[in-house]
Amino acid sequence: GAVVSQHPSWVICKSGTSVKIECRSLDFQATTMFWYRQFPKQSLMLMATSNEGSKATYEQGVEKDKFLINHASLTLSTLTVTSAHPEDSSFYICSARDQRLAGGMISTDTQYFGPGTRLTVL
Amino acid sequence: GESVGLHLPTLSVQEGDNSIINCAYSNSASDYFIWYKQESGKGPQFIIDIRSNMDKRQGQRVTVLLNKTVKHLSLQIAATQPGDSAVYFCADSAGVALNFGKGTSLLVTP
Repeated sequence: GAVVSQHPSWVICKSGTSVKIECRSLDFQATTMFWYRQFPKQSLMLMATSNEGSKATYEQGVEKDKFLINHASLTLSTLTVTSAHPEDSSFYICSARDQRLAGGMISTDTQYFGPGTRLTVL
Repeated sequence: GESVGLHLPTLSVQEGDNSIINCAYSNSASDYFIWYKQESGKGPQFIIDIRSNMDKRQGQRVTVLLNKTVKHLSLQIAATQPGDSAVYFCADSAGVALNFGKGTSLLVTP
């Protein structure tokens, strides 16, 4: 399957600082990437859809000024948690959509996930 | 999938037995379904997918069954191994974004 990387894998920061998390598709181009948040023993919650070259689409209840998303290229999306607070501590996971065409029809349309980033805000 | 509650259901199976993990979804417009495996501290790993024009799809040791009438999805793992221990999530999509189920914790005992 396709490979998606995230950096850093974990980060500890002080309250009030900003943290940037990178998501890269390593062997395919992704016009669409997604950012999720996951609390312990819970499912993944979609935060936003990141589209290359345009503004991200945020899910209801997710503050766009708090969680800045930039999708500057077909292989890179970044999530910046601004003015982080302890309640922002969580496991953040990105995914990249691998969509390929064959003969004018969609042959592959799968989301592949990164390994996640553990954010701890003190 | 349906995401309700905070506690993951757990399925305990003996090594070598077959496992069946079930999932219900609510959106009748969903036409794409995926099963993911997530080990502790890692991101979800793609296992198998199925589109709504099929009701069964097989992979290596895994089979996904789709019943659109009752909006039910299942993942069957043959000859379960200790390395299969993880949390399994189903996800459904009616377009681009995935809707994740609450997950099932699979514990394989020797």
